[in-house]
Order: sequence, then structure tokens, then C-alpha cells
Amino acid sequence: QQQVKQSPQSLIVQKGGISIINCAYENTAFDYFPWYQQFPGKGPALLIAIRPDVSEKKEGRFTISFNKSAKQFSLHIMDSQPGDSATYFCAASKAAGNKLTFGGGTRVLVKP
Amino acid sequence: GAVVSQHPSRVICKSGTSVKIECRSLDFQATTMFWYRQFPKQSLMLMATSNEGSKATYEQGVEKDKFLINHASLTLSTLTVTSAHPEDSSFYICSAAVGGSYNSPLHFGNGTRLTVT
Repeated sequence: QQQVKQSPQSLIVQKGGISIINCAYENTAFDYFPWYQQFPGKGPALLIAIRPDVSEKKEGRFTISFNKSAKQFSLHIMDSQPGDSATYFCAASKAAGNKLTFGGGTRVLVKP
Repeated sequence: GAVVSQHPSRVICKSGTSVKIECRSLDFQATTMFWYRQFPKQSLMLMATSNEGSKATYEQGVEKDKFLINHASLTLSTLTVTSAHPEDSSFYICSAAVGGSYNSPLHFGNGTRLTVT
């Protein structure tokens, strides 16, 4: 059972454009939803995270939108840059320091 | 910020041998560490939860006798892949949170690329 579903699997966006990645979860016990960025051959790095008590969180060019009733959350990357080309994973857990369940990942390519 | 270090970053071994991977929390103590495995172009799959001073908790389908985990101190967890076979070739990544706090996110190491020939 895939508890966190992520889409799309891949995404191509022009420099300056907006990248949008969506995730849906099933387990209502999840209460912490981070996004990680991973470059080839490296471990994932935390980008931004949100808890269900807020509907949106913004940090620089990265914004998470959260819809608790729909059990969905999304990542928006504004003004996408070639350096943003990476694989992005959404995840969920029952607490910030607890084990994470990852989505399938989205490979983002930003064309110059 | 919190740093998690893994060693080695790459290892090649022959089928049937054992390989040990180290995961260290460099600037914080971690009572709990998590070990993930990632196959090429796939997501991260949790293998086990490593608890300092006690036995690890393995996810369903992960062989505990094949993937030995030892968490002997608050800053070090090790994963030993015993009698490795080519199908064990993968990217192994550990993670930890500062003190296992509810409010502290997981930080990941840079992974270990294991190739079994």
C-alpha cells in the first residue's frame, strides 16, 4: 500500500517558470509533511516542511500548500532556476523526528 | 546545522562478503537513526529504525539477519550487509533527528553506494 502518492514523475519547466508537484496521503495520523531535494549521488536535503494546522508555508521561492480535508499537499517552486534541477520527494510522518514515508519522487528539469 | 556523515561513500565488494557502513551524527546526539535503501531512479524505502542501546526495529520484508544494525552510542549507528549478493547493490542512506525531538526534522547523510560484484 503506497501511503504517499506523488505526481508527476517528471517535469520540465523553463527558467523563470513555476514547478508544481503534488502529493496525496492516506494515513490521517500523519502530522508532519516535509519536502526533500536530492541531487544525483547525494542524500536528500530538507527544503521546507508543514504541519496540518496551517494551509500554506513559504520560504523564499518554495511554497507548500496543504489541504487537510483532501489529504493533499503540494510544492510550488517559483522562478525556477537550472540549479533547481533535481529530484524532489514529498514525505509524511507522525512527528518531525519520526520515520518518514516518502512519495515516489519527481524529477525536475529546468531548461535555461 | 545538524550534520549526518556516512562512511564510506562508495564500496565495491565481492559476492559473499560483508560490508559495514557507518552513520555518524557530527554535532548532535541521536537516540534514533533510520536506515533507508534507494534503488536507481526510485524512492527511499525505510529498512529499519536504529535505537541506541537496544535492538533495531526492521520494516516488513527486511531480513534482520542479513542487514545487521548496531547503535552502540548516541552518535554512531552501523549497518552491516552480510553475505552480500548483487541484488543488494543499492544506495544506502541513514538519517537522524536532533535528540529525536518532535520538532526536529530528519537530516540525511550523503549515502553509501554499494556495488556487489
